Amino acid sequence: GAVVSQHPSRVICKSGTSVKIECRSLDFQATTMFWYRQFPKQSLMLMATSNEGSKATYEQGVEKDKFLINHASLTLSTLTVTSAHPEDSSFYICSAGQQGQPPETQYFGPGTRLLVL
Amino acid sequence: DAKTTQPPSMDCAEGRAANLPCNHSTISGNEYVYWYRQIHSQGPQYIIHGLKNNETNEMASLIITEDRKSSTLILPHATLRDTAVYYCIVRVRASGNTGKLIFGQGTTLQVKP
Repeated sequence: GAVVSQHPSRVICKSGTSVKIECRSLDFQATTMFWYRQFPKQSLMLMATSNEGSKATYEQGVEKDKFLINHASLTLSTLTVTSAHPEDSSFYICSAGQQGQPPETQYFGPGTRLLVL
Repeated sequence: DAKTTQPPSMDCAEGRAANLPCNHSTISGNEYVYWYRQIHSQGPQYIIHGLKNNETNEMASLIITEDRKSSTLILPHATLRDTAVYYCIVRVRASGNTGKLIFGQGTTLQVKP
């Protein structure tokens, strides 16, 4: 099946710094990508939806200026956590799919664990 | 999209069938039932989906009641590697990949030796 990768898999940063997480679709063109956040022992929470070439749509309560999403190409989306703080420590997961294809063809990345000290 | 209700946790003996229930009493006629699972510290994995007929693939079977208000995911011969959180999601299929997947709390399945 299709593969979605994320980089880095794990990152530790100091409070106040910015962290960029990449999501790549390795063998298909992803016109739509989703970003999720998951705190320990909790479910995945959708943060935003991005379509290639247009601005991301953020879920209610998610600060768009803090979580910058760039879907610059059909195989790459990036999530930048700006001025990270310890409460931003979480497991970030992306998923990617092709517009027009059914939902079962949406594939998830392996996740990026962010720890802010 | 309709809301789902799942038990928070279940145990299953290795080699036995694992039956995971899901209630979706407010499901609409055009909404499908999707199942995903998430093994610890990994991204979710698609398992199976269905509309009203029972479905089977190499991973699992999906049984949907006639009134479509509930469904059961069946792992016929559970192994230790099936230990994961299982999510039942109801959504419109026609919106394709532009539609959101909203995850509930899921069921934590613990397969025991």
